[in-house]
Amino acid sequence: DTGVSQDPRHKITKRGQNVTFRCDPISEHNRLYWYRQTLGQGPEFLTYFQNEAQLEKSRLLSDRFSAERPKGSFSTLEIQRTEQGDSAMYLCASSRDRDQPQHFGDGTRLSIL
Amino acid sequence: DQQVKQNSPSLSVQEGRISILNCDYTNSMFDYFLWYKKYPAEGPTFLISISSIKDKNEDGRFTVFLNKSAKHLSLHIVPSQPGDSAVYFCAGTESNFGNEKLTFGTGTRLTIIP
Repeated sequence: DTGVSQDPRHKITKRGQNVTFRCDPISEHNRLYWYRQTLGQGPEFLTYFQNEAQLEKSRLLSDRFSAERPKGSFSTLEIQRTEQGDSAMYLCASSRDRDQPQHFGDGTRLSIL
Repeated sequence: DQQVKQNSPSLSVQEGRISILNCDYTNSMFDYFLWYKKYPAEGPTFLISISSIKDKNEDGRFTVFLNKSAKHLSLHIVPSQPGDSAVYFCAGTESNFGNEKLTFGTGTRLTIIP
């Protein structure tokens, strides 16, 4: 299996701009997850998909955040009107089934100027 | 509210000795636990898991112990090797939700001294 792929690895943007991240899960993994990790903390759950259906969203996911997985393959996470507090590592993970471990990508580091 | 706690931010162990990383949880609904290892600039890598129907699970040099009454789990690495130097996260979840929403601790940085 090739691993979970995330693009870009780093994103620097000005406050107020919109950003979009992409995640390509491991082939045939029907579950896809987004987490956010800030300095000194563990990853925090944001949302997850089973195929193209978004099944749960954390309260951390404000109205400025939207995630999609249109064809049940890759996923995008968009942040509108970015704020300083959005600076973090955004991690994507996938799993084959609900009883299988989640495998993580290397993340997209977002820095807000 | 930190539902999963790793109270030791760092740990140093000599190569060849046993490394013991600890984790406590407060959510009594958690019944499935995982350990991940993270190197700098990489995503977390799954190591080992344990269900609450067991109190021990082994995989090579890695063993996880679960004490449900104390809401405590530990990861033992024997023998420790230099490549084990990394940050280790424990995570818990409710199996009613399968393995969906993982709640992570803040991590323990393990340094293996050659």
